[in-house]
Amino acid sequence: NAGVTQTPKFQVLKTGQSMTLQCAQDMNHEYMSWYRQDPGMGLRLIHYSVGAGITDQGEVPNGYNVSRSTTEDFPLRLLSAAPSQTSVYFCASSTGTGFYGYTFGSGTRLTVV
Amino acid sequence: SQQGEEDPQALSIQEGENATMNCSYKTSINNLQWYRQNSGRGLVHLILIRSNEREKHSGRLRVTLDTSKKSSSLLITASRAADTASYFCATTTDKSTFGDGTTLTVKP
Repeated sequence: NAGVTQTPKFQVLKTGQSMTLQCAQDMNHEYMSWYRQDPGMGLRLIHYSVGAGITDQGEVPNGYNVSRSTTEDFPLRLLSAAPSQTSVYFCASSTGTGFYGYTFGSGTRLTVV
Repeated sequence: SQQGEEDPQALSIQEGENATMNCSYKTSINNLQWYRQNSGRGLVHLILIRSNEREKHSGRLRVTLDTSKKSSSLLITASRAADTASYFCATTTDKSTFGDGTTLTVKP
């Protein structure tokens, strides 16, 4: 039972490059979400999904795209990386909207130079 | 804007003492959750309290919720060095938003 798997764990991008952060869960959770955590700060919601084919914006969606074609996968795309997107990115899933708590991945540490 | 805000920002205690941290929020919620984050790791779910509950226990953890004051507290009793971590509250409506956390240091 892997839980929530994020890849890669570390990534360095140059300004203007694009990339996709992968997130997969094997718990058949309907709800999945992406957060970013800046140093010494809490988590800010980027995008979330309540089921396959349904996504919505969180607090800080600009510069990021998501799609949810399957229940298991929820990739996050950075369209044109900027230094302000340097952060640690966490994917989380739950049954329903956090009704039983979220299971988090171990994070992707992204540096944009 | 952040929905939940933790207080204090940092807390340092001796092993064996109790640690209390608070969370305040602004709008009505479905539930409130507490998470722990060890340095450089992902968040781990500790406990969830629903809006119609006032108190909940899990091992050495005690959570209270006062919806009239829009606040919650997390009490860790008989703290251990292994409890050293950051603790976050998350308030849930149609989505969950997190505060900036309380950094707890438990000195042996």
